[in-house]
Amino acid sequence: QVQLQESGPGLVKPSETLSLTCTVSGASISGYYWSWIRQPPGKGLEWMGYVHYSGTTDYNPSLRSRVSISADTSKNQIFLKVTSVTAADTAVYYCTRTGGGSGGYWGQGTLVTVSS
Amino acid sequence: QAVVTQEPSLTVSPGGTVTLTCGSSTGAVTSGHYPYWFQQKPGQVPRTLIYDTSNKHSWTPARFSGSLLGGKAALTLSGALPEDEADYYCFLSFGGARPWVLGGGTKLTVL
Repeated sequence: QVQLQESGPGLVKPSETLSLTCTVSGASISGYYWSWIRQPPGKGLEWMGYVHYSGTTDYNPSLRSRVSISADTSKNQIFLKVTSVTAADTAVYYCTRTGGGSGGYWGQGTLVTVSS
Repeated sequence: QAVVTQEPSLTVSPGGTVTLTCGSSTGAVTSGHYPYWFQQKPGQVPRTLIYDTSNKHSWTPARFSGSLLGGKAALTLSGALPEDEADYYCFLSFGGARPWVLGGGTKLTVL
């Protein structure tokens, strides 16, 4: 069974960089697309972007200038960085395996609060 | 960026049938968009009910099914139960230079 586990700081100061790691177990990250999806409190889901195990990425246009997603196949991990964060970036961040043939697996999510 | 449209809210009677739809501003939704349907109950992590248009997971109740209907992706619930009250999100993968898009979600009430 594929398992995804997000980790990283739960509190980030405004203007700083948010960094999260997704550790995948039960399957290799090779061969699949891996997305980050976030959900601000009381709001809907927002797709942030994906990385393919080959390194190909694509991002939500609204976040493209601030978001970077990468993968380390040797560690079976996916990474998210969001620069210049504001309170609007406060959300639960989910690591997911999506895309054609991916099955749609979700991590448990991690709450990141942006506050001084 | 494409816009994915879903019904903001729907109500179904217990035991009834309801179809949620997912349209795209770019035209007809096809199997090439690999439509996903996510279910999220209050306070819970979203879970995937349907992937690649109509494929189910082991945890997907048999009363849910996915299809393409009239140029849209569709999620049909047959025999609604009170526990099916949730938010349902459609997710489309666009090829080429178009980023993927999540719909705004449908709030389903069983009443």
